[in-house]
Amino acid sequence: AQSVTQLGSHVSVSEGALVLLRCNYSSSVPPYLFWYVQYPNQGLQLLLKYTTGATLVKGINGFEAEFKKSETSFHLTKPSAHMSDAAEYFCAVSGNSGYALNFGKGTSLLVTP
Amino acid sequence: EAGVAQSPRYKIIEKRQSVAFWCNPISGHATLYWYQQILGQGPKLLIQFQNNGVVDDSQLPKDRFSAERLKGVDSTLKIQPAKLEDSAVYLCASSLGDFNDGKLFFGSGTQLSVL
Repeated sequence: AQSVTQLGSHVSVSEGALVLLRCNYSSSVPPYLFWYVQYPNQGLQLLLKYTTGATLVKGINGFEAEFKKSETSFHLTKPSAHMSDAAEYFCAVSGNSGYALNFGKGTSLLVTP
Repeated sequence: EAGVAQSPRYKIIEKRQSVAFWCNPISGHATLYWYQQILGQGPKLLIQFQNNGVVDDSQLPKDRFSAERLKGVDSTLKIQPAKLEDSAVYLCASSLGDFNDGKLFFGSGTQLSVL
């Protein structure tokens, strides 16, 4: 089964600093990869996705991620953190059913002034 | 457009009691999912429906959990009897069903506490 591992359960950055959230995947077939964000007391929402084509994917709110097959990685980055980026971030990979997603354990992003 | 609706928002029960959660997906979405999110973990798929048929329920503890989507629209997830380890947030999500989109829309969840 496809799975993802998120490195670091908590990440803290200063406002304006680079955000880097790490995700590595395991898959025996070409994966579809996703990043979701969960703000406090809200449902998960899609940030960006990689299915096929360009390996650098741009999402909402200035986030982007790069699919690197050689490293089995799909790290999420944002050049300059904003206070409003504080949230829980989940990496996910397409599961065996083709539609359902298998999620990582999540990384909590804290942004300090 | 209206999002995925879930109720109740919170539920507290004692172990061995039963509980039911309700989900109404976005209109026109053929696929509906129930996920369980235990504190500190990522969401885990319990069951996936395509219209009113089950696509994947391999991780559903069938001795105590059941789910239905009789008319292919809204869905109910039931736990009977509940155990302490069932304390979690139960998330419902829906999608159009076209995997090339791969976009799931999530509800706000039902937070269950089993005492």
